[in-house]
Amino acid sequence: EPEVTQTPSHQVTQMGQEVILRCVPISNHLYFYWYRQILGQKVEFLVSFYNNEISEKSEIFDDQFSVERPDGSNFTLKIRSTKLEDSAMYFCASSAMGGGLNTGELFFGEGSRLTVL
Amino acid sequence: SQQGEEDPQALSIQEGENATMNCSYKTSINNLQWYRQNSGRGLVHLILIRSNEREKHSGRLRVTLDTSKKSSSLLITASRAADTASYFCATDNFNKFYFGSGTKLNVKP
Repeated sequence: EPEVTQTPSHQVTQMGQEVILRCVPISNHLYFYWYRQILGQKVEFLVSFYNNEISEKSEIFDDQFSVERPDGSNFTLKIRSTKLEDSAMYFCASSAMGGGLNTGELFFGEGSRLTVL
Repeated sequence: SQQGEEDPQALSIQEGENATMNCSYKTSINNLQWYRQNSGRGLVHLILIRSNEREKHSGRLRVTLDTSKKSSSLLITASRAADTASYFCATDNFNKFYFGSGTKLNVKP
């Protein structure tokens, strides 16, 4: 069964360092998302990506964050200068369809746990 | 915000009992989805109900949607210990899907 894969599963970094989290979405999906979840709390929307550009982003997704689909299979989230409060589980998701009347389900990866010291 | 909010925050029941979780949201939606998350894992889609539907079934799951009250409920019948997880509702606003804080369900064997 196709699945979304994320690497690394856990990353520990020092405050101020850059971090790149990687995701391989399901191959025929067109919509890609990043979410984060702080220690079992709510799942917060960060950004959605379609047709090689950001389609929606939240207030959390400030200038420290960026996303890229560099090679047609990977989908990355970069945090330029990490802060303590960036410590969270980051989930990548993909969907064959976006939101709206023809929305489809989101398929989530298992997450990348980021710990900022 | 369109975020769904689940209620109760936590629910503990005995195996075999039914579990009901509720979700409320703030603005109009195209559809509402329910997801499950085992501890430390990714979210898994359970069921989607469209705004023009009132009830939907899938196995032991029953979802209702009341757009006039902006609320949905998820019923799990004949619960099993393996149903222990967090359950989230998600509402969509085009290419943003909003999740709530979830209901932590504990099913005791």
